[in-house]
Amino acid sequence: DSGVTQTPKHLITATGQRVTLRCSPRSGDLSVYWYQQSLDQGLQFLIQYYNGEERAKGNILERFSAQQFPDLHSELNLSSLELGDSALYFCASSVGVDGSNTEAFFGQGTRLTVV
Amino acid sequence: AQTVTQSQPEMSVQEAETVTLSCTYDTSESDYYLFWYKQPPSRQMILVIRQEAYKQQNATENRFSVNFQKAAKSFSLKISDSQLGDAAMYFCAYRSARGAQKLVFGQGTRLTINP
Repeated sequence: DSGVTQTPKHLITATGQRVTLRCSPRSGDLSVYWYQQSLDQGLQFLIQYYNGEERAKGNILERFSAQQFPDLHSELNLSSLELGDSALYFCASSVGVDGSNTEAFFGQGTRLTVV
Repeated sequence: AQTVTQSQPEMSVQEAETVTLSCTYDTSESDYYLFWYKQPPSRQMILVIRQEAYKQQNATENRFSVNFQKAAKSFSLKISDSQLGDAAMYFCAYRSARGAQKLVFGQGTRLTINP
């Protein structure tokens, strides 16, 4: 158990809908990262938050947004869902901030299926 | 931008034998970290081993070791005495030592262990 909790584990929804994925980082970790794992794109970095502030952005679609709350949990919001958004979404957390020599620990992921 | 390439989509090895998974990367940076992650069928991303670019000594973790060739930008993973539990997808990943701590992943290698 990495200590990173993601809910739900599985999610099935229809095209055009909106969903929210939730992540609770390890105790003491201030950074949260979101990654998308799909068959065609592989594992891609989406976005990083550190202590409530957006820190880095990757290949995140405009239909997707995220935030980190004062209790450090994070949510990834996916809207106007398309079939191609079906993927495994991972959250990871780490203690540190930019460049620091700390490990990122991954949650078990949320499997999103858009039908 | 940094890229990571794993040229072996699939590998197989007999139980108790040794197997080497290949990884090359491209970067203009001199300071960075390299990782091998394991993703078993449970889909959890598990850190196997890490290497700091400034260290000349190759990292070792029990049966897992790396061959880090900085000039050649090569980072292979050797698994000795392969066990059935080693069967998984293996991802090579790069992280800059400066700036955001996002991981850049290769496409993965699926390792099968034959009993």
